[in-house]
Amino acid sequence: GAVVSQHPSRVICKSGTSVKIECRSLDFQATTMFWYRQFPKQSLMLMATSNEGSKATYEQGVEKDKFLINHASLTLSTLTVTSAHPEDSSFYICSASRTGGGELFFGEGSRLTVL
Amino acid sequence: KQEVTQIPAALSVPEGENLVLNCSFTDSAIYNLQWFRQDPGKGLTSLLLIQSSQREQTSGRLNASLDKSSGRSTLYIAASQPGDSATYLCAVNTDKLIFGTGTRLQVFP
Repeated sequence: GAVVSQHPSRVICKSGTSVKIECRSLDFQATTMFWYRQFPKQSLMLMATSNEGSKATYEQGVEKDKFLINHASLTLSTLTVTSAHPEDSSFYICSASRTGGGELFFGEGSRLTVL
Repeated sequence: KQEVTQIPAALSVPEGENLVLNCSFTDSAIYNLQWFRQDPGKGLTSLLLIQSSQREQTSGRLNASLDKSSGRSTLYIAASQPGDSATYLCAVNTDKLIFGTGTRLQVFP
């Protein structure tokens, strides 16, 4: 199966700082990647759809200026949480697919803790 | 708006039982449906993918069915084992993946 890698797996930061999370498709090209957030004991919620070479599409209620998404290449998308606050502490997971409507492959997730 | 619901929310069974996890969705216009497993604090592991034109998929002790017209999918786990303990998520793929609420499964020896 296809491999999607996320880095870092865990990050702890102080309130007010910015954190970048990387999502890489290791053995395939992904024109579209998705970013999800999962709070404890809740299901995954889609935050945004990241398209290579264009602006990301954000879901309702997700602040685009706070969660910056860059999809600069067919194998890399980044999520930057700017001016992080404790309420941003969550589990962030990315996914990618080879083609539209196909099987999605997920990264291992990144746990963000904001102190 | 697509909504995905899973029943039951939690399930605790003795080892060896056959299990059925249910997933329902409100909009039948989907590309496919995927079942995932999530261990505590971990990412997702894809278990089965059913295309909208398919009725079921099987992998080992797992069998997933899809009835698109009624908006339902079931995941059948045969001869459950303690290692099957995890949260099981279904997700429907339209132009994006919408996840269900999950079923937390515990299989005890």
